[in-house]
Amino acid sequence: GQNIDQPTEMTATEGAIVQINCTYQTSGFNGLFWYQQHAGEAPTFLSYNVLDGLEEKGRFSSFLSRSKGYSYLLLKELQMKDSASYLCAVMDSNYQLIWGAGTKLIIKP
Amino acid sequence: DADVTQTPRNRITKTGKRIMLECSQTKGHDRMYWYRQDPGLGLRLIYYSFDVKDINKGEISDGYSVSRQAQAKFSLSLESAIPNQTALYFCATSDLTSGDTGELFFGEGSRLTVL
Repeated sequence: GQNIDQPTEMTATEGAIVQINCTYQTSGFNGLFWYQQHAGEAPTFLSYNVLDGLEEKGRFSSFLSRSKGYSYLLLKELQMKDSASYLCAVMDSNYQLIWGAGTKLIIKP
Repeated sequence: DADVTQTPRNRITKTGKRIMLECSQTKGHDRMYWYRQDPGLGLRLIYYSFDVKDINKGEISDGYSVSRQAQAKFSLSLESAIPNQTALYFCATSDLTSGDTGELFFGEGSRLTVL
Protein backbone atom coordinates (compact mmCIF):
# COMPACT_ATOMS: atom_id res chain seq x y z
CA GLY A 1 0.00 0.00 0.00
CA GLN A 2 0.88 3.63 -0.19
CA ASN A 3 2.05 5.40 2.93
CA ILE A 4 3.26 8.81 4.04
CA ASP A 5 4.80 9.14 7.51
CA GLN A 6 5.49 12.35 9.38
CA PRO A 7 5.65 13.17 13.09
CA THR A 8 2.35 14.00 14.72
CA GLU A 9 3.55 17.02 16.67
CA MET A 10 6.68 19.08 17.17
CA THR A 11 7.52 21.98 19.44
CA ALA A 12 10.08 24.69 18.74
CA THR A 13 11.09 28.10 20.06
CA GLU A 14 10.51 31.41 18.37
CA GLY A 15 13.60 32.43 16.40
CA ALA A 16 14.94 28.88 16.18
CA ILE A 17 15.13 26.38 13.31
CA VAL A 18 12.98 23.28 12.96
CA GLN A 19 13.10 20.37 10.54
CA ILE A 20 9.95 18.37 9.78
CA ASN A 21 10.62 14.99 8.20
CA CYS A 22 8.47 13.01 5.79
CA THR A 23 9.06 9.49 4.52
CA TYR A 24 6.99 7.90 1.81
CA GLN A 25 6.26 4.65 0.02
CA THR A 26 4.14 5.17 -3.06
CA SER A 27 3.34 3.60 -6.40
CA GLY A 28 5.54 5.79 -8.53
CA PHE A 29 6.62 9.34 -7.90
CA ASN A 30 5.71 12.55 -9.68
CA GLY A 31 6.67 15.06 -7.06
CA LEU A 32 6.38 15.88 -3.38
CA PHE A 33 4.48 18.79 -1.92
CA TRP A 34 4.47 20.59 1.39
CA TYR A 35 1.40 22.52 2.47
CA GLN A 36 0.78 24.69 5.51
CA GLN A 37 -2.57 24.57 7.27
CA HIS A 38 -3.56 26.87 10.10
CA ALA A 39 -6.23 25.52 12.43
CA GLY A 40 -9.67 25.61 10.82
CA GLU A 41 -8.33 26.96 7.54
CA ALA A 42 -7.54 25.60 4.10
CA PRO A 43 -4.13 24.15 3.27
CA THR A 44 -1.89 26.49 1.32
CA PHE A 45 0.98 25.48 -0.94
CA LEU A 46 4.52 25.89 0.37
CA SER A 47 6.83 23.91 -1.88
CA TYR A 48 7.23 21.30 -4.59
CA ASN A 49 10.19 18.98 -5.16
CA VAL A 50 10.52 16.57 -8.06
CA LEU A 51 14.32 16.31 -8.31
CA ASP A 52 16.74 15.45 -5.53
CA GLY A 53 18.15 18.34 -3.59
CA LEU A 54 17.23 21.43 -1.70
CA GLU A 55 14.72 24.07 -2.78
CA GLU A 56 14.93 27.31 -0.85
CA LYS A 57 12.16 29.86 -0.62
CA GLY A 58 12.77 32.58 1.93
CA ARG A 59 12.67 31.19 5.47
CA PHE A 60 11.40 27.83 4.21
CA SER A 61 13.43 25.14 2.45
CA SER A 62 12.43 21.68 1.28
CA PHE A 63 14.74 18.76 0.59
CA LEU A 64 14.11 15.58 -1.36
CA SER A 65 15.94 12.26 -1.69
CA ARG A 66 14.01 10.00 -4.06
CA SER A 67 16.30 7.01 -3.47
CA LYS A 68 15.54 7.17 0.26
CA GLY A 69 11.88 8.08 -0.07
CA TYR A 70 12.57 11.02 2.20
CA SER A 71 11.90 14.72 2.40
CA TYR A 72 12.15 17.41 5.00
CA LEU A 73 10.81 20.91 5.42
CA LEU A 74 13.18 23.32 7.15
CA LEU A 75 11.78 26.43 8.77
CA LYS A 76 14.26 29.09 9.87
CA GLU A 77 13.86 32.13 12.12
CA LEU A 78 10.62 30.75 13.47
CA GLN A 79 7.79 33.18 14.09
CA MET A 80 4.65 32.68 16.15
CA LYS A 81 2.59 32.76 12.96
CA ASP A 82 4.40 29.58 11.83
CA SER A 83 2.33 27.64 14.37
CA ALA A 84 0.31 25.41 12.06
CA SER A 85 0.09 21.92 10.68
CA TYR A 86 2.46 21.00 7.87
CA LEU A 87 1.19 18.45 5.39
CA CYS A 88 3.44 16.29 3.22
CA ALA A 89 1.89 14.87 0.04
CA VAL A 90 3.30 12.75 -2.78
CA MET A 91 1.94 12.58 -6.32
CA ASP A 92 1.94 8.96 -7.44
CA SER A 93 2.24 7.42 -10.89
CA ASN A 94 -1.45 8.17 -11.58
CA TYR A 95 -0.93 11.82 -10.65
CA GLN A 96 -2.99 11.32 -7.50
CA LEU A 97 -1.90 12.99 -4.28
CA ILE A 98 -1.26 10.77 -1.27
CA TRP A 99 -1.36 12.78 1.96
CA GLY A 100 0.36 12.40 5.27
CA ALA A 101 -1.65 13.09 8.43
CA GLY A 102 0.27 16.30 9.02
CA THR A 103 2.69 17.57 11.65
CA LYS A 104 1.34 20.05 14.15
CA LEU A 105 4.06 22.59 14.90
CA ILE A 106 3.81 24.49 18.15
CA ILE A 107 5.96 27.60 18.52
CA LYS A 108 6.78 28.78 22.02
CA PRO A 109 8.02 32.28 22.87
CA ASP B 1 -13.27 37.26 -3.26
CA ALA B 2 -11.80 33.80 -2.88
CA ASP B 3 -10.82 31.95 -6.05
CA VAL B 4 -12.43 28.75 -4.73
CA THR B 5 -15.67 29.25 -2.84
CA GLN B 6 -17.54 26.66 -0.80
CA THR B 7 -21.05 26.86 0.56
CA PRO B 8 -22.19 26.35 3.21
CA ARG B 9 -19.20 26.98 5.47
CA ASN B 10 -20.88 25.29 8.40
CA ARG B 11 -23.82 22.91 8.54
CA ILE B 12 -25.44 20.87 11.26
CA THR B 13 -27.89 18.23 10.13
CA LYS B 14 -29.57 15.06 11.31
CA THR B 15 -29.00 11.46 10.37
CA GLY B 16 -30.81 10.53 7.17
CA LYS B 17 -31.01 14.02 5.72
CA ARG B 18 -29.76 14.86 2.24
CA ILE B 19 -26.98 17.42 2.16
CA MET B 20 -25.32 19.21 -0.74
CA LEU B 21 -22.03 21.04 -0.51
CA GLU B 22 -21.29 23.37 -3.37
CA CYS B 23 -18.02 24.56 -4.82
CA SER B 24 -17.36 27.19 -7.45
CA GLN B 25 -14.07 28.48 -8.80
CA THR B 26 -12.86 31.43 -10.81
CA LYS B 27 -9.39 30.06 -11.55
CA GLY B 28 -10.38 28.54 -14.88
CA HIS B 29 -8.99 25.15 -13.83
CA ASP B 30 -10.27 21.97 -15.41
CA ARG B 31 -9.57 19.72 -12.43
CA MET B 32 -11.69 19.77 -9.30
CA TYR B 33 -11.61 17.61 -6.20
CA TRP B 34 -13.54 16.91 -3.02
CA TYR B 35 -11.60 15.90 0.09
CA ARG B 36 -12.57 15.23 3.65
CA GLN B 37 -10.32 15.86 6.62
CA ASP B 38 -10.64 14.14 9.98
CA PRO B 39 -8.45 14.72 13.04
CA GLY B 40 -5.32 12.56 12.95
CA LEU B 41 -5.86 11.50 9.36
CA GLY B 42 -4.51 12.82 6.10
CA LEU B 43 -6.78 14.44 3.55
CA ARG B 44 -8.79 11.72 1.85
CA LEU B 45 -10.07 12.04 -1.69
CA ILE B 46 -13.79 11.48 -2.18
CA TYR B 47 -14.29 12.28 -5.87
CA TYR B 48 -12.46 14.13 -8.58
CA SER B 49 -13.21 15.46 -12.02
CA PHE B 50 -10.74 16.34 -14.77
CA ASP B 51 -13.33 18.04 -16.94
CA VAL B 52 -17.09 18.50 -17.18
CA LYS B 53 -17.72 15.03 -18.61
CA ASP B 54 -15.27 13.22 -16.36
CA ILE B 55 -16.13 12.00 -12.85
CA ASN B 56 -13.94 9.61 -10.89
CA LYS B 57 -14.25 7.92 -7.52
CA GLY B 58 -11.59 8.58 -4.98
CA GLU B 59 -10.43 6.66 -1.96
CA ILE B 60 -13.68 7.00 0.03
CA SER B 61 -16.59 7.57 -2.35
CA ASP B 62 -19.15 5.31 -0.62
CA GLY B 63 -22.08 7.35 0.70
CA TYR B 64 -21.27 10.33 -1.51
CA SER B 65 -22.13 11.48 -5.01
CA VAL B 66 -21.01 14.44 -7.11
CA SER B 67 -22.13 16.58 -9.99
CA ARG B 68 -19.94 18.68 -12.28
CA GLN B 69 -22.47 21.20 -13.54
CA ALA B 70 -19.93 23.34 -15.38
CA GLN B 71 -16.19 23.83 -15.53
CA ALA B 72 -16.48 26.17 -12.57
CA LYS B 73 -18.89 24.17 -10.39
CA PHE B 74 -18.53 20.87 -8.58
CA SER B 75 -21.07 19.76 -5.98
CA LEU B 76 -20.84 17.01 -3.38
CA SER B 77 -23.98 15.31 -2.08
CA LEU B 78 -24.63 13.09 0.89
CA GLU B 79 -27.87 11.32 0.00
CA SER B 80 -28.53 10.10 3.53
CA ALA B 81 -26.11 11.60 6.03
CA ILE B 82 -24.72 9.51 8.87
CA PRO B 83 -22.73 10.61 11.95
CA ASN B 84 -19.39 9.25 10.69
CA GLN B 85 -19.63 11.69 7.81
CA THR B 86 -19.05 14.47 10.32
CA ALA B 87 -15.87 16.10 9.03
CA LEU B 88 -14.29 19.12 7.41
CA TYR B 89 -14.78 19.00 3.66
CA PHE B 90 -12.53 20.77 1.18
CA CYS B 91 -13.00 21.48 -2.47
CA ALA B 92 -9.82 22.01 -4.48
CA THR B 93 -8.78 22.80 -8.03
CA SER B 94 -5.66 22.24 -10.08
CA ASP B 95 -4.45 22.64 -13.61
CA LEU B 96 -1.75 20.12 -14.44
CA THR B 97 -0.41 21.58 -17.63
CA SER B 98 3.08 21.80 -19.05
CA GLY B 99 5.31 23.60 -16.63
CA ASP B 100 2.71 23.43 -13.87
CA THR B 101 3.42 21.61 -10.62
CA GLY B 102 -0.16 20.47 -10.19
CA GLU B 103 -0.46 22.58 -7.06
CA LEU B 104 -3.89 22.38 -5.46
CA PHE B 105 -5.89 25.47 -4.61
CA PHE B 106 -8.32 24.86 -1.76
CA GLY B 107 -11.60 26.39 -0.79
CA GLU B 108 -12.06 27.55 2.79
CA GLY B 109 -13.74 24.34 3.86
CA SER B 110 -17.22 23.24 4.86
CA ARG B 111 -17.62 21.92 8.37
CA LEU B 112 -20.40 19.33 8.46
CA THR B 113 -21.84 17.88 11.65
CA VAL B 114 -24.28 14.98 11.44
CA LEU B 115 -26.22 14.34 14.64
